[in-house]
Amino acid sequence: GESVGLHLPTLSVQEGDNSIINCAYSNSASDYFIWYKQESGKGPQFIIDIRSNMDKRQGQRVTVLLNKTVKHLSLQIAATQPGDSAVYFCAAKGGGSQGNLIFGKGTKLSVKP
Amino acid sequence: AAGVIQSPRHLIKEKRETATLKCYPIPRHDTVYWYQQGPGQDPQFLISFYEKMQSDKGSIPDRFSAQQFSDYHSELNMSSLELGDSALYFCASSFANYGYTFGSGTRLTVV
Repeated sequence: GESVGLHLPTLSVQEGDNSIINCAYSNSASDYFIWYKQESGKGPQFIIDIRSNMDKRQGQRVTVLLNKTVKHLSLQIAATQPGDSAVYFCAAKGGGSQGNLIFGKGTKLSVKP
Repeated sequence: AAGVIQSPRHLIKEKRETATLKCYPIPRHDTVYWYQQGPGQDPQFLISFYEKMQSDKGSIPDRFSAQQFSDYHSELNMSSLELGDSALYFCASSFANYGYTFGSGTRLTVV
């Protein structure tokens, strides 16, 4: 079946360091991917997205890399700050007209001051 | 900018009761999605509507139903509530299958 998963459930980094969160997906037809940040009791907050015709996209302090060959994407956060502490989810949209997002297991990012 | 609005934010119901959750998508978004997120779990897709018609169905129990109205708001109706239905329920909307935006969710507690 279709699945999206994360390699690590928790990640602890020092403030100012870079963070890398990884995600694998199984549906090779997925054509759109989103990284979300979720704080306790709140809804998923959009961070960055990437379409399958790209392999890299940069935002403010964040970069998403997509490797379609191995069906893997990663989120890189530069100069991680305490406010970045949250659970991070990747989500993949099925290809074509299938619109719903399939979420992976979250990674909890803890930033140590 | 307008966001996805969900109501109520919190809801407490007893077992076997009924609950109705509401979602107001971003204006001009054509699709609404409902997700359920249990404690420590990732959001699970329940059901979606495109232009007021059901477009896709996920792991939604038969006790649950949903619809999208002419003003594009959507309601998730949950009957015969069980303790295991306690979760965060999120609504999201998108336009042309992009720009997914989530609401703040409704926390349902069944006691």
